[in-house]
Amino acid sequence: TQLLEQSPQFLSIQEGENLTVYCNSSSVFSSLQWYRQEPGEGPVLLVTVVTGGEVKKLKRLTFQFGDARKDSSLHITAAQPGDTGLYLCASSNSGYSTLTFGKGTMLLVSP
Amino acid sequence: NAGVMQNPRHLVRRRGQEARLRCSPMKGHSHVYWYRQLPEEGLKFMVYLQKENIIDESGMPKERFSAEFPKEGPSILRIQQVVRGDSAAYFCASASSGRSYEQYFGPGTRLTVT
Repeated sequence: TQLLEQSPQFLSIQEGENLTVYCNSSSVFSSLQWYRQEPGEGPVLLVTVVTGGEVKKLKRLTFQFGDARKDSSLHITAAQPGDTGLYLCASSNSGYSTLTFGKGTMLLVSP
Repeated sequence: NAGVMQNPRHLVRRRGQEARLRCSPMKGHSHVYWYRQLPEEGLKFMVYLQKENIIDESGMPKERFSAEFPKEGPSILRIQQVVRGDSAAYFCASASSGRSYEQYFGPGTRLTVT
């Protein structure tokens, strides 16, 4: 089973700051998903990356997939309080769709 | 706009009782996954089902837990003789195919065992 390590575990910043969170594995990802989970709710899919070196943008969020497909990062520009939540990365084994999740990065953005 | 639906949202059971958690997948999705989230452990896969079939139950405890996804109606996760350690948030996700990387999650059922 692939293990996903996310860092940092917790991040507290002020509104307007930039931040980057990371997701790493010792083995190659076939694909990688980023989710955001708000308290009391289920995870919401933000993006899927599949190709090594891929960069995807979602408004102020930029997702990058490492060239070797063993790591990924999520960069948020000018963070807002609405970005507060638990950011989870997840991967699936090739050809099989059950997801393995990292433990997440808890982001708190204060006004 | 029907997303994944789960009910109940909150469920309180005494030790030894049964818990039944329901999940209706998104329209057009026939693949259902159940995950459990514990505070220190994160989200863990439990079971993967298609209509009338269990595809992978490798993440589900061997005793007291069962799941089904009948031809008609929602998927059910059933926990018999609950214990305090079963207290957790249980999430259902659905996908359009078994090879889809993208799963869509419901709001979860928070089970509390007293």
